[in-house]
Amino acid sequence: AQTVTQSQPEMSVQEAETVTLSCTYDTSESNYYLFWYKQPPSRQMILVIRQEAYKQQNATENRFSVNFQKAAKSFSLKISDSQLGDTAMYFCAFMKSGNFNKFYFGSGTKLNVKP
Amino acid sequence: DTGVSQDPRHKITKRGQNVTFRCDPISEHNRLYWYRQTLGQGPEFLTYFQNEAQLEKSRLLSDRFSAERPKGSFSTLEIQRTEQGDSAMYLCASSLVSVTDTQYFGPGTRLTVL
Repeated sequence: AQTVTQSQPEMSVQEAETVTLSCTYDTSESNYYLFWYKQPPSRQMILVIRQEAYKQQNATENRFSVNFQKAAKSFSLKISDSQLGDTAMYFCAFMKSGNFNKFYFGSGTKLNVKP
Repeated sequence: DTGVSQDPRHKITKRGQNVTFRCDPISEHNRLYWYRQTLGQGPEFLTYFQNEAQLEKSRLLSDRFSAERPKGSFSTLEIQRTEQGDSAMYLCASSLVSVTDTQYFGPGTRLTVL
């Protein structure tokens, strides 16, 4: 079974600074996908960034980037130039390649961006 | 693209009552998923459909739960004889069959069982 662990229940960052959210996972699979989703307060979950395990290059989407360490089974999210709108719960998720029916989510990290 | 919609957004019911939730996926998406999210936790997979076929159900989906997607478009999730432990956010997501199969989530239905 796949497990996803987010060890930081809550984090704070000052506006315009950089913050890194941690995620580790456990799997015996070699081909899989990893995701970060953002869930703002009382709003729906939206995709932030996606990483294919077979790609060595770390994914980047504007101010969001990941540090994917396959051997260490680590998938951290870096948010640069934090904005007040980044305040949300962030969930790391794992999906086995070829098993397109099930995400395994971590328990989430609540990020507070302070003015 | 209007996104995934869910109805109702909130439901309060008494223990023992039946409730039904609806999910309308993104129009061209052929996969639809249901998740349950309790406070302080990430979503947990319940079941998924490809078109109208229900292809997998989690052990979390007890006999009191049933899901349908009759015409491969919208889906309903029914909970019979609700229990207080059913109180949670029920999330729906949809995706288009592709290499990455990224799931897009709806706003959820928050169920409170008194």
